[in-house]
Amino acid sequence: QKEVEQNSGPLSVPEGAIASLNCTYSDRVSQSFFWYRQYSGKSPELIMSIYSNGDKEDGRFTAQLNKASQYVSLLIRDSQPSDSATYLCAVTLATGTSYGKLTFGQGTILTVHP
Amino acid sequence: GAGVSQSPRYKVAKRGQDVALRCDPISGHVSLFWYQQALGQGPEFLTYFQNEAQLDKSGLPSDRFFAERPEGSVSTLKIQRTQQEDSAVYLCASSPGTSGNTIYFGEGSWLTVV
Repeated sequence: QKEVEQNSGPLSVPEGAIASLNCTYSDRVSQSFFWYRQYSGKSPELIMSIYSNGDKEDGRFTAQLNKASQYVSLLIRDSQPSDSATYLCAVTLATGTSYGKLTFGQGTILTVHP
Repeated sequence: GAGVSQSPRYKVAKRGQDVALRCDPISGHVSLFWYQQALGQGPEFLTYFQNEAQLDKSGLPSDRFFAERPEGSVSTLKIQRTQQEDSAVYLCASSPGTSGNTIYFGEGSWLTVV
């Protein structure tokens, strides 16, 4: 079993719809959770971070964390064609020598069609 | 420069050849990371430097992989006797501190071993 699991997709949604991306992780001591967006041929770009249970909203993006269920999700409201990319879920202990040792899922390909 | 700079951007190596990949982090960033991203997969952690100290090299896949950051700024990832399975994008990332900061990725060095 992979440490961080994502549905590879592709996930296709119409423009203006809500895109829902899901991620589960296996290590219960994980403390920090991130969503990165990666356009084809480009580097990962951080779009959301979340550290405690509940929802965190930033513009059109909402991250949701449920540590009991070991589940993280990302909702994109009013999806735009420019949101079409691979979305990577990452987790880390985020402390000491484990800082920056992100464990990534394989990514979910999102396509927003006009 | 404004971001993490990596060179070369693209490298084709013959099997058995040694390669060196360079990373120039954002000026003043203390933490530096190397990740390997195979096609269609999420990045996988290779190693972490705090200034010139290599604090974690647990992700290096074999003793053919070696990384250094002798003066605490520029880093080099060296791969000896390259093999086809080494073909991947090698991502360098940096962060200003040692915990809780955003990690910024470079564009990557695309290595193809033929």
